Amino acid sequence: AQSVTQPDIHITVSEGASLELRCNYSYGATPYLFWYVQSPGQGLQLLLKYFSGDTLVQGIKGFEAEFKRSQSSFNLRKPSVHWSDAAEYFCALYSSGTYKYIFGTGTRLKVLA
Amino acid sequence: GAGVSQSPSNKVTEKGKDVELRCDPISGHTALYWYRQSLGQGLEFLIYFQGNSAPDKSGLPSDRFSAERTGESVSTLTIQRTQQEDSAVYLCASSPPHNNEQFFGPGTRLTVL
Repeated sequence: AQSVTQPDIHITVSEGASLELRCNYSYGATPYLFWYVQSPGQGLQLLLKYFSGDTLVQGIKGFEAEFKRSQSSFNLRKPSVHWSDAAEYFCALYSSGTYKYIFGTGTRLKVLA
Repeated sequence: GAGVSQSPSNKVTEKGKDVELRCDPISGHTALYWYRQSLGQGLEFLIYFQGNSAPDKSGLPSDRFSAERTGESVSTLTIQRTQQEDSAVYLCASSPPHNNEQFFGPGTRLTVL
């Protein structure tokens, strides 16, 4: 079955610290993978996406993610978190066979000053 | 250019009433998706349109839910005889042709009393 798992419901980091948000997927072929961010009361904004090629992808706002096929993971990273990064982060997979996007349940990030 | 817009931004209704939610996709975007986001949950896929055709309605929770799309333009999601469990944020997203990236609207927050 196709699925996306975000194991961490909440993460708290101090401003300036590094960040890694975990995402694991289950899919029968090479997936199209996405990370979105949702600020309170807002829609989802695309941070970055992986379709093929280089397994380390760069996104907006200083975020990057690494696709690891052997681990079925697509973890999101940022070297130094800013207070404005506090939001909810969603990992998603696009199933080209069904035209559906499958979202994880999200990780809520809190940033301490 | 303009992004995806949704109206109303907030809707409070009484149990048993019908509601209609509107989504205006980005011009030229052929694909349109509706999702439901309940408190603390990820995004639940509801329905997908390619043009004005809905190849996949499998996510609609019950026959009280229906959706239409006019050409490659506006879509409406209708919920009949609303129930309290319908309370959620309803998100719309659109995608351009031959592109898997989704662009999300700000959502409609529905509260059923």
